[in-house]
Amino acid sequence: QAGLTQPPSVSRVLRQTATLTCTGNSDNVGNEGAAWLQQHQGHPPKLLFYGNNNRPSGISDRFSVSRSGNVASLTITGVQPEDEADYYCSAWDDRLSIWMFGGGTKLTVL
Amino acid sequence: EVQLLESGGGLVQPGGSLRLSCAASGFTFTDYPMTWVRQAPGEGLEWVSTVHRSRFTDRYYAASIKGRFTISRDDSKNTVYLQMHSLRVEDTAIYFCARDWYDYWGQGTLVTVSS
Repeated sequence: QAGLTQPPSVSRVLRQTATLTCTGNSDNVGNEGAAWLQQHQGHPPKLLFYGNNNRPSGISDRFSVSRSGNVASLTITGVQPEDEADYYCSAWDDRLSIWMFGGGTKLTVL
Repeated sequence: EVQLLESGGGLVQPGGSLRLSCAASGFTFTDYPMTWVRQAPGEGLEWVSTVHRSRFTDRYYAASIKGRFTISRDDSKNTVYLQMHSLRVEDTAIYFCARDWYDYWGQGTLVTVSS
């Protein structure tokens, strides 16, 4: 089962904007949207967004999401040192009845 | 405060079995689906299995573990389980339990499959 597609790495200079993408198909990302998770080294993942633009309480508004067709995007405005982490997208696939994960994007803040 | 506490990991030989537990507290357990996700050393996240709320019988499994792992829940104990059989070296990972749309996670339990 092929997963969702994410770029392996993205680098941004401090306070720049980073946009991370997650590509699926009409059965998953294009259907119910994607969840986005942040994981710092040695820690469990943390939910940033779920469903269609639902942000849990306590998540900074520097994080935002959008979707165009089968591509979901996570935008981090004004990246900070604490944003350096791995970011994963995940979506339910209605046809396969499974959750799918992307391979993760490592964000480096320069 | 929502808490998820995994246990049951350890070292097991290839072909062996383990049962993982995830004890939940701080929320109405019966209202939520529960999920197991694993992460091999240095690798990304891999969904393993999800069990819906008890009044629905639906359980879902990743192809990589289907037929070898079984997810279950005991609502009287607020606990979700992952029974793992025929373990392989490639099942070595930290196993996390998570609630619903991954809004809460446990700290994980390490499963090492090695001879």
